[in-house]
Amino acid sequence: DTGVSQDPRHKITKRGQNVTFRCDPISEHNRLYWYRQTLGQGPEFLTYFQNEAQLEKSRLLSDRFSAERPKGSFSTLEIQRTEQGDSAMYLCASSLGEDSHYSNQPQHFGDGTRLSIL
Amino acid sequence: AQKITQTQPGMFVQEKEAVTLDCTYDTSDQSYGLFWYKQPSSGEMIFLIYQGSYDEQNATEGRYSLNFQKARKSANLVISASQLGDSAMYFCAMRGRVGSNFGNEKLTFGTGTRLTIIP
Repeated sequence: DTGVSQDPRHKITKRGQNVTFRCDPISEHNRLYWYRQTLGQGPEFLTYFQNEAQLEKSRLLSDRFSAERPKGSFSTLEIQRTEQGDSAMYLCASSLGEDSHYSNQPQHFGDGTRLSIL
Repeated sequence: AQKITQTQPGMFVQEKEAVTLDCTYDTSDQSYGLFWYKQPSSGEMIFLIYQGSYDEQNATEGRYSLNFQKARKSANLVISASQLGDSAMYFCAMRGRVGSNFGNEKLTFGTGTRLTIIP
């Protein structure tokens, strides 16, 4: 039973550099979510994909952030020109749900990518 | 907009005792879902239990039960016979609509409760 996989687990980079994270959801899950969690807080929603379509983006997702999910399988989250405030845990989750219906299925989370900006 | 409030930043409980973690919520949606997740120090978010807004019975999953009081907008997690391995952060979350399209959803999380089980 393979769960949600995220890579890398940790990323340390200098301010101003670009970083890219990868998420592999549970194989049959059509919905994929990205969240950001800072120290002492709960996760905050960033963006949502249904299959390959990015359907929603939070205002937290500035124009330096871009997410893709080509072919509706894995997803990538890229941050350009990183800033100190981008330091956080980036969590990916996936779930199964019918189009245009809310789901009672839980979102299953990966272990996250912890980003540290020097 | 949805909001989750967890008023207990930290709790200490003796091993084998039951513990209740508080969660209140606010939403204008008629249909919503409530979830509890456990986050150990290693960082992964582990799903524990789910309660739908139209479910008439309180959800139970093994040692976990959810005390759902819709009129009071509360969804407290009860852990029976606590174990040392229950020490972790616990987050209450609500599934609600995001954007204008029906079916597009996100989870809104509270700030969590750090539970420590004392041997």
